[in-house]
Amino acid sequence: GAVVSQHPSWVICKSGTSVKIECRSLDFQATTMFWYRQFPKQSLMLMATSNEGSKATYEQGVEKDKFLINHASLTLSTLTVTSAHPEDSSFYICSARQGSGYGYTFGSGTRLTVV
Amino acid sequence: QKEVEQNSGPLSVPEGAIASLNCTYSDRGSQSFFWYRQYSGKSPELIMFIYSNGDKEDGRFTAQLNKASQYVSLLIRDSQPSDSATYLCAVPPLAGGTSYGKLTFGQGTILTVHP
Repeated sequence: GAVVSQHPSWVICKSGTSVKIECRSLDFQATTMFWYRQFPKQSLMLMATSNEGSKATYEQGVEKDKFLINHASLTLSTLTVTSAHPEDSSFYICSARQGSGYGYTFGSGTRLTVV
Repeated sequence: QKEVEQNSGPLSVPEGAIASLNCTYSDRGSQSFFWYRQYSGKSPELIMFIYSNGDKEDGRFTAQLNKASQYVSLLIRDSQPSDSATYLCAVPPLAGGTSYGKLTFGQGTILTVHP
C-alpha cells in the first residue's frame, strides 16, 4: 500500500531556531500534501495544503512566513518552522493524496518540542 | 454548527462489548466518509471508508451510513483493550469543490475498553 515516510519522528530545539520536517511518498506520486498540527487532546487542525510546484494554501490564522512549506517534487514536501517558540510545540502530521482519488496517506508524525 | 460532529466522550465499554461511535455531518451533499483510529502519540490510521447507505463490515468493524439523517456510525464488536484509542470521523470534499481536497475531521471520540 501507499506509504508516507515522515522525519524526524521527534525533535527538540531551542527557542528561536528553525526546524525542518520532511515527508516523502515512497511508492506513489503525492500531487497534494496536507500539513496538520495537533495539540494534546484535540483533533487534527489543518495548517496548509500544497500542490506540487505551486505555492501552499494556508488556513486562516496560520502564519505563512513562520510555517514554510515546500512541495518541489511529487515525492517530497517539507515544513519548516522558523524561529520556533515554545507555543509551537505540537505534533505535526503530513498527509499525501495522489490525484483526485480518495486515498489519503498519513505520515507517522513529528513531535516538536521547543525549549 | 460544526461541519462534522462527534461526541468527544470518553466512551468506556467493557472488554467483549460492542462500542458504538457516532458522527453527524452538516453538508447534505457529502457522499463518502472515513473512520480513522488514532493511538496516543501516533498518526491516524484508516479503518473504514463508506459511501453507500447501509452497513459495511470489515472484521470486527461495521460502518453504518444514513444519508437521509446525515449520520455515520462505527460499531466495534467484541471490543478489546487494544481498541482503546481516539476515533476520528472525516469527510472528504465534494467533487468539483474548491477545498483542494482537504478532509474535514470531527473532534474525535476517545474510546476506552477496560478488561
